[in-house]
Amino acid sequence: EAQVTQNPRYLITVTGKKLTVTCSQNMNHEYMSWYRQDPGLGLRQIYYSMNVEVTDKGDVPEGYKVSRKEKRNFPLILESPSPNQTSLYFCASSQYRDWRDEQFFGPGTRLTVL
Amino acid sequence: AQSVSQHNHHVILSEAASLELGCNYSYGGTVNLFWYVQYPGQHLQLLLKYFSGDPLVKGIKGFEAEFIKSKFSFNLRKPSVQWSDTAEYFCAVNFGNEKLTFGTGTRLTIIP
Repeated sequence: EAQVTQNPRYLITVTGKKLTVTCSQNMNHEYMSWYRQDPGLGLRQIYYSMNVEVTDKGDVPEGYKVSRKEKRNFPLILESPSPNQTSLYFCASSQYRDWRDEQFFGPGTRLTVL
Repeated sequence: AQSVSQHNHHVILSEAASLELGCNYSYGGTVNLFWYVQYPGQHLQLLLKYFSGDPLVKGIKGFEAEFIKSKFSFNLRKPSVQWSDTAEYFCAVNFGNEKLTFGTGTRLTIIP
């Protein structure tokens, strides 16, 4: 089944404790992206990647890192999480090297930083 | 600055009512337009998209949207809603770069 998977689905952590949210897609998609969803703010793009080893900042990249060492994986790293990073995070992928195709979204990761 | 606005934050309708959700953007150049839907507890999925051609586009589940360039709008419509349409709806716009900018979303509640 074609899908985007994220792990973990739920995470409660404390300020400053490094964490990684994994994202994997099995559709051989070129483009991958991370978004955060907050009430009243909709989805905001954190980082995106147009191919292996090619990543770029979205609209809200502060406090996040990403890497794209393999085509299928695009982990989101929070080196020192803070409470303002409490949010619902979505990973997405699409076939072409940019936004133009439909983006397929993962199920989301709900992160709480205490 | 390029932005996407969805002025209806929460819409409540009865079943069989007609639906129109507004989406406006601020940019005078070429845009590409999307509507995504997020059903309760589920991830986002594409309803429809517009790149070029006929400004009236039809999507899944009976939804359609009309691109009106002069009004910078891409409103979503459905002639008769069902309880199962209860969801959050997001308009998204590409402004000719590598990114997709989402609106803040409209929560739609359908009363049986």
